[in-house]
Amino acid sequence: DAGVIQSPRHEVTEMGQEVTLRCKPISGHNSLFWYRQTMMRGLELLIYFNNNVPIDDSGMPEDRFSAKMPNASFSTLKIQPSEPRDSAVYFCASRIDRGQTGELFFGEGSRLTVL
Amino acid sequence: AQKVTQAQTEISVVEKEDVTLDCVYETRDTTYYLFWYKQPPSGELVFLIRRNSFDEQNEISGRYSWNFQKSTSSFNFTITASQVVDSAVYFCAREGYGGATNKLIFGTGTLLAVQP
Repeated sequence: DAGVIQSPRHEVTEMGQEVTLRCKPISGHNSLFWYRQTMMRGLELLIYFNNNVPIDDSGMPEDRFSAKMPNASFSTLKIQPSEPRDSAVYFCASRIDRGQTGELFFGEGSRLTVL
Repeated sequence: AQKVTQAQTEISVVEKEDVTLDCVYETRDTTYYLFWYKQPPSGELVFLIRRNSFDEQNEISGRYSWNFQKSTSSFNFTITASQVVDSAVYFCAREGYGGATNKLIFGTGTLLAVQP
């Protein structure tokens, strides 16, 4: 079985540009999470979806960040406009949630550098 | 916020030494889950263990062992006879059960360096 697939793996962009990160969760998983990892702040939960519905977006830093999950097999995290402080590794993770917390499977991450 | 604290930011040991990584958590949930994840230099996050708050039995898996003490809100991780391949950042995490608390919150991680 394929794991969580994220793209791009690396992105270098200039300040002010729009960035879109993509995630394909593991088939059959019904919860999806976006995390951001930086040296200063560690692993922060940005948003999570259950059955394609956003449940908690309290971790989204500001209005420049938005996330969607149009179907069970695809999610995007968009930053518009990007800023240098958005530079981080963005992880997508998925799992099965059926009344009991299961193991969270992570993608390999998307490393974003905003110049 | 119900946070997870990993007070040790960095630990360095010599191969074959035992090492314990500390984790203290806060929670208002009656039921919750605790986790440890490993992040090797390659960057991926690898699941190590999940523990239910009702189960305070310690667990051993090879050279790894976990000590869960509800009374002190701690979930410590010990590596016995450490090896160079154990070098990584280790994250402790907690999760509530149900609804909006059903999300995994990570500690800041402990960087473990095992020297040959």
